Amino acid sequence: EAQVTQNPRYLITVTGKKLTVTCSQNMNHEYMSWYRQDPGLGLRQIYYSMNVEVTDKGDVPEGYKVSRKEKRNFPLILESPSPNQTSLYFCASSSQTSASYEQYFGPGTRLTVT
Amino acid sequence: DAKTTQPPSMDCAEGRAANLPCNHSTISGNEYVYWYRQIHSQGPQYIIHGLKNNETNEMASLIITEDRKSSTLILPHATLRDTAVYYCIANLLGTSYGKLTFGQGTILTVHP
Repeated sequence: EAQVTQNPRYLITVTGKKLTVTCSQNMNHEYMSWYRQDPGLGLRQIYYSMNVEVTDKGDVPEGYKVSRKEKRNFPLILESPSPNQTSLYFCASSSQTSASYEQYFGPGTRLTVT
Repeated sequence: DAKTTQPPSMDCAEGRAANLPCNHSTISGNEYVYWYRQIHSQGPQYIIHGLKNNETNEMASLIITEDRKSSTLILPHATLRDTAVYYCIANLLGTSYGKLTFGQGTILTVHP
C-alpha cells in the first residue's frame, strides 16, 4: 500500500530536549516536505527536499533542521524545542511529475513542548 | 500564488450534492486550481485539480468559470464521511517544488 508514515504520532517533551520526527514514504517520490499546522494559521511549509541531499527552506524554517540521505526518508529535527513549536506536523511526498498538486500526506505528529 | 477566498463553513444534507465555491480573482493564466480536504486533523488528501476545463474524477467534479476567477467543487452525493475542511489552492503546476499554500478552507458539515 502506497503511504507516508510518521513516527511518533504523539510526543510530549520539555524545552531544550532534542528530538527527531521520522518520515518515510514507499512510493519512490522525489519531493518531500514538512508542514506544521496551527489553529488560525493553516498549514505552513517548514522545509522541502527535491531529492537526496537537496533540501531548502520553506516559509517557517527557524528552529528546525532536516536531512535527506535516502530517497525514502526525510526526518525533521528539533535541536532545542521551544513551546512555540507545539503544533501538528505533517510530512508529505510527491513525484517529480506531480509535485505541485497530488501530494501524499502522512497521518501527522502532534507535538507538545512544555 | 494567487489568493483564494472560500466561505468559512457550509452545511449539506446527506445524499445531496455539496457545492463548494472558491474565488480566485487574481489567478494568472498558467496557475492551476487544486482542491484538497482534511478530515479531522488527518493529513490533507488531494481531490482534484484543473486549469480551465471542467474536470471530473471518482471523488468530485471541478467547475471553473470561463474567466477563471472562480470555481466550484462538487461532491455529487455527499456522505457523512465527506465532513471535512476543504481547501482551494491556486498555484503554478510544476514550479513550486512541492509547496502548497493552504488557506483557512471551508468546513463542510454533512448532516443526516
